[in-house]
Amino acid sequence: GIQVEQSPPDLILQEGANSTLRCNFSDSVNNLQWFHQNPWGQLINLFYIPSGTKQNGRLSATTVATERYSLLYISSSQTTDSGVYFCAVPRGSSNTGKLIFGQGTTLQVKP
Amino acid sequence: DTAVSQTPKYLVTQMGNDKSIKCEQNLGHDTMYWYKQDSKKFLKIMFSYNNKELIINETVPNRFSPKSPDKAHLNLHINSLELGDSAVYFCASSQSRGRNTIYFGEGSWLTVV
Repeated sequence: GIQVEQSPPDLILQEGANSTLRCNFSDSVNNLQWFHQNPWGQLINLFYIPSGTKQNGRLSATTVATERYSLLYISSSQTTDSGVYFCAVPRGSSNTGKLIFGQGTTLQVKP
Repeated sequence: DTAVSQTPKYLVTQMGNDKSIKCEQNLGHDTMYWYKQDSKKFLKIMFSYNNKELIINETVPNRFSPKSPDKAHLNLHINSLELGDSAVYFCASSQSRGRNTIYFGEGSWLTVV
């Protein structure tokens, strides 16, 4: 089955710093989603980004489907950005809605 | 208004008990899911329903039985709870299968003692 790998596994930033999180996937996909799990456990969808670049405030994401990776950029990080960031892709070509999640990047932003 | 709501949020129970987690979405979505997050934060799908029809049953023990009375509700019943069932269970929904943003509930923390 498709493999999803995220890097780095852990990241510690000082408030105000920028960062890039990476998601590699082993097979062609027709969509990719980024999620943020905050310290209270809530999973928030950040981007639905099968290809190209999207921006939402201080966050932006780029997916290069032909090269099988996606990047999540966090600029001017804030303590509220702390948590775990997951990327997820659908399994195979069947339209079942099943998402395969990466193992996550745990981000800690220090004040 | 919570888009995807699940209850209870916390559940502590003894081995061998039977428990249920309820989920409701008010987004008008056709597809609902149950995901399990283990202690290492790994998220894995358990079930998917589309318009009350089971689409995915991801090699989950028979002790887990989902029920979808209508497309806005997907409940999870667990029989004979085991220690290894301790996890966070997330309900989720999307407009349709596979090609839409998925929205998660706040999670149900299940601890089996």
